[in-house]
Amino acid sequence: EPEVTQTPSHQVTQMGQEVILRCVPISNHLYFYWYRQILGQKVEFLVSFYNNEISEKSEIFDDQFSVERPDGSNFTLKIRSTKLEDSAMYFCASRQGGRNQPQHFGDGTRLSIL
Amino acid sequence: AQKVTQAQTEISVVEKEDVTLDCVYETRDTTYYLFWYKQPPSGELVFLIRRNSFDEQNEISGRYSWNFQKSTSSFNFTITASQVVDSAVYFCALSGGETSGSRLTFGEGTQLTVNP
Repeated sequence: EPEVTQTPSHQVTQMGQEVILRCVPISNHLYFYWYRQILGQKVEFLVSFYNNEISEKSEIFDDQFSVERPDGSNFTLKIRSTKLEDSAMYFCASRQGGRNQPQHFGDGTRLSIL
Repeated sequence: AQKVTQAQTEISVVEKEDVTLDCVYETRDTTYYLFWYKQPPSGELVFLIRRNSFDEQNEISGRYSWNFQKSTSSFNFTITASQVVDSAVYFCALSGGETSGSRLTFGEGTQLTVNP
């Protein structure tokens, strides 16, 4: 069964450094998302992406964050200057079509900021 | 704004018991979509079931069933004959329609522990 893949599974970075989290959505999916989950808390929406542009973003997704789909398969989340509070699990998700379709999630990237 | 409330923080049952996880939601949309996801200890998020707001028929899928009550804004999820492998955090999630975009709004999650 096709799945969303995320790399790396764990990223350790010094505060202030840039980090790029990578995702390969399911190939025939059209809608892409990033979420984050701080340890022990609920999953929070960051951004959605469709037709090569951001369609929606949350208040968490400030100027330090950006997303890109550099080619036909990858979908990346960049954090320009990481802060301690960026430490979390970051999930990529993709959806095939209509809103009644479920979003399928990758296994996540655990980001640890030192 | 959308909101999902899962009042049960933790539930502990013995194997083979049935268990129901509660979910209450708030939305201004007339069309919306409800989902349940499972997060096992390994951390991934696994889609389980979905429901459209305009379809109130409740269903059963294997050991899973759900009870959608639009009048009380509830979307409860039942596992029949629970197994140890069902131990996980379960999240209820809401996706909106005309005013709320397609983002998923998650509840706080319910930690289910199934003991042998």
